[in-house]
Amino acid sequence: AQKVTQAQTEISVVEKEDVTLDCVYETRDTTYYLFWYKQPPSGELVFLIRRNSFDEQNEISGRYSWNFQKSTSSFNFTITASQVVDSAVYFCALSEATQGGSEKLVFGKGTKLTVNP
Amino acid sequence: NAGVTQTPKFRILKIGQSMTLQCTQDMNHNYMYWYRQDPGMGLKLIYYSVGAGITDKGEVPNGYNVSRSTTEDFPLRLELAAPSQTSVYFCASSPWRSYEQYFGPGTRLTVT
Repeated sequence: AQKVTQAQTEISVVEKEDVTLDCVYETRDTTYYLFWYKQPPSGELVFLIRRNSFDEQNEISGRYSWNFQKSTSSFNFTITASQVVDSAVYFCALSEATQGGSEKLVFGKGTKLTVNP
Repeated sequence: NAGVTQTPKFRILKIGQSMTLQCTQDMNHNYMYWYRQDPGMGLKLIYYSVGAGITDKGEVPNGYNVSRSTTEDFPLRLELAAPSQTSVYFCASSPWRSYEQYFGPGTRLTVT
């Protein structure tokens, strides 16, 4: 069965530090998708990125970057020059195909990031 | 578009009571999902639906029921509330053959 492990339960940094959130996954599927979601203190889930298993190129979006390595089954997320507004719980998720043709998500337990001023 | 809406935002139930959590999406998405999030945990799938009239169980379906009579609505029913059902419930939807799920704002449920 699919599994997502986020070993870091909580991380605390000082503003402007770089921080990397780790995500390791297990799957038997040859085609799958990986996701990162942000959950700020207000509670909603904010989509950050989706990555196809065939695309191992790293991606950068502003201060955010993602490192996908199939060889180590990892999909790590780095925030450069962190800001207080980055404080949130971050979830890594893995798609799992259902019999009906949809994709359900398997979530990690999340990493709580606190950025202190 | 309002996206995915959920009502109510908060609810306190007594043990044994019943209630329905409402979820509506206006994006004409085929797929809809219900997740629960327990404190300090990720989301776990309760039920999902691939279209009107078709539902299936997820990882933690016990104590819940769903129906999908229209494309837009996917209500979640709790028949006999138990303290173990205290959680935050998220509804999500996604388009046909897409892998991105759009989440509602959540319903915080407390059973005492």
